[in-house]
Amino acid sequence: DTAVSQTPKYLVTQMGNDKSIKCEQNLGHDTMYWYKQDSKKFLKIMFSYNNKELIINETVPNRFSPKSPDKAHLNLHINSLELGDSAVYFCASSQEARGGRVSPYEQYFGPGTRLTVT
Amino acid sequence: RKEVEQDPGPFNVPEGATVAFNCTYSNSASQSFFWYRQDCRKEPKLLMSVYSSGNEDGRFTAQLNRASQYISLLIRDSKLSDSATYLCVVNIFESNFGNEKLTFGTGTRLTIIP
Repeated sequence: DTAVSQTPKYLVTQMGNDKSIKCEQNLGHDTMYWYKQDSKKFLKIMFSYNNKELIINETVPNRFSPKSPDKAHLNLHINSLELGDSAVYFCASSQEARGGRVSPYEQYFGPGTRLTVT
Repeated sequence: RKEVEQDPGPFNVPEGATVAFNCTYSNSASQSFFWYRQDCRKEPKLLMSVYSSGNEDGRFTAQLNRASQYISLLIRDSKLSDSATYLCVVNIFESNFGNEKLTFGTGTRLTIIP
């Protein structure tokens, strides 16, 4: 009965590898997000998709590429992993949308993917 | 200036006490304000929205001061289960697309001591 699910929960990999994190929500929400929470617990938005369309793209290296095959899924692919990519990555979704602008009211977060790059 | 600033704590408070956190935000155009709670090694979850007139949910009271651009959270009769990190969250307008995004403070860590 999970609302927002992510896989894998833990990911340990070496520098230079390419990896993907998957996210799915069964809430029927229009908008999905990727956040990064670093070692200092600072939670920062990376991307936002509304109905499969990219609407927010923060200053994130090109090595990070989100993909939304449908509005219930938002995956994150990371190329050439670096030590600084080690963090917890949270997927989230929200419903509120009005007049072409998306208002990200209550967001539901997935359990997080703890990525460790060695 | 950070978009959303909070005292990181930690706040170590005896059970039953009242504790208050403040948070300041820099964007005067912000319209939506929230407190989220994050338990250790868990995802953030919405605790409560913050309305202009102030609002209460059981032992929790949230206040908004638009003139001074700060938000507060008051917890009365604190319980052991209140131990968590409390994140102040404010909406920020994305100038390029006209959309909004939530900006999170770094959180205030609270530990309730038995």
